[in-house]
Amino acid sequence: GAGVSQSPSNKVTEKGKDVELRCDPISGHTALYWYRQSLGQGLEFLIYFQGNSAPDKSGLPSDRFSAERTGGSVSTLTIQRTQQEDSAVYLCASSLVVAGAGDTQYFGPGTRLTVL
Amino acid sequence: AQKVTQAQTEISVVEKEDVTLDCVYETRDTTYYLFWYKQPPSGELVFLIRRNSFDEQNEISGRYSWNFQKSTSSFNFTITASQVVDSAVYFCALSQGDTGANSKLTFGKGITLSVRP
Repeated sequence: GAGVSQSPSNKVTEKGKDVELRCDPISGHTALYWYRQSLGQGLEFLIYFQGNSAPDKSGLPSDRFSAERTGGSVSTLTIQRTQQEDSAVYLCASSLVVAGAGDTQYFGPGTRLTVL
Repeated sequence: AQKVTQAQTEISVVEKEDVTLDCVYETRDTTYYLFWYKQPPSGELVFLIRRNSFDEQNEISGRYSWNFQKSTSSFNFTITASQVVDSAVYFCALSQGDTGANSKLTFGKGITLSVRP
């Protein structure tokens, strides 16, 4: 398919371990976003990429969270020393930058992270 | 700061009933964008509609319609003749219009719609 893909779909890890979540955006989409969906906090913005640069990291909850994007395509979200409060669904979205602000984002299926 | 309020948390209707999902937003921007997304049980967010702040025309797409009223800062979504397949969580979202290409979304808490046969 031509949609946003994410892997793994589910990840169970032990507290204190590091995890990597991957996102493949729609081909040609230069903007990429990560969001987190949890029961308590709803859907929250984490980080925005334009190409390989991340001009907006304002949503990352702590310095244990980092992300990178390479080749203007695939992005990896890394959580170090995971904590139980990191358990959530991590969603990736991409958009084709046409009008600038307000471009429509298309979401992937998410990665459900469970920290034991 | 931006905020999106979806005061209804859960709605249950019988098939073929009409149902309206409310969305109220707050922003200081004069240019902004409003969205509705559907999240079925499978979990993937599905885009439904995008509206910019300068376009207050109501929109109809099949059984779906949207009413945008700047005077009340509302962007409500109506499903006519609801069907079981409409059962999902529906999110209203807002993005600023003055942030270059950054379209990060502020979401409401979502409304869980259950349509019973």
